[in-house]
Amino acid sequence: NAGVMQNPRHLVRRRGQEARLRCSPMKGHSHVYWYRQLPEEGLKFMVYLQKENIIDESGMPKERFSAEFPKEGPSILRIQQVVRGDSAAYFCASSPPRLAGGPRYNEQFFGPGTRLTVL
Amino acid sequence: QKEVEQNSGPLSVPEGAIASLNCTYSDRGSQSFFWYRQYSGKSPELIMFIYSNGDKEDGRFTAQLNKASQYVSLLIRDSQPSDSATYLCAAGRNYQLIWGAGTKLIIKP
Repeated sequence: NAGVMQNPRHLVRRRGQEARLRCSPMKGHSHVYWYRQLPEEGLKFMVYLQKENIIDESGMPKERFSAEFPKEGPSILRIQQVVRGDSAAYFCASSPPRLAGGPRYNEQFFGPGTRLTVL
Repeated sequence: QKEVEQNSGPLSVPEGAIASLNCTYSDRGSQSFFWYRQYSGKSPELIMFIYSNGDKEDGRFTAQLNKASQYVSLLIRDSQPSDSATYLCAAGRNYQLIWGAGTKLIIKP
């Protein structure tokens, strides 16, 4: 029973290049969340997606960042024209569908993260 | 005021003692609360979640929730050096988890 998978685990880009981060949720999970974490800092919510839908992107920078979760395949977080300030750990988490009558919030399970370094 | 607050620490506890980690939240609409552990350079790992007032025990871990006081805690009994990590508290709200900044716990042998 594979957990949340992310790739690549480490990504090095030069300023101005594009970074594409992939996330495959746990089997049976339909909700995907992306977070960013700077060293010694807390998790910052970026975006919440369900299949083919962006539910909440309030934490995403307005420019250069985009996310998708297509019907088939992994969720993608895309950063265009990267800058040094984009260097961080990017975590993906997934959660199962909410059970009818159950709590409104489900626990999230995290992938190993992608460490992005912008030179 | 942050929505979920934790003392950043570090909290130093001798091996074998009880470590007590605390968290307060501001949104009374939060219905569920989660404790995650994060080792340096690793991803957060779910330890426990709690929905109802009172205590919930799982092995050496006990989560406590007091909705009237908007307070959540995590107790770790018989602390081990391997428990040294940052502990993140999160409150569930509208399909999101609102995260505290984490408390760094150090267990001294």
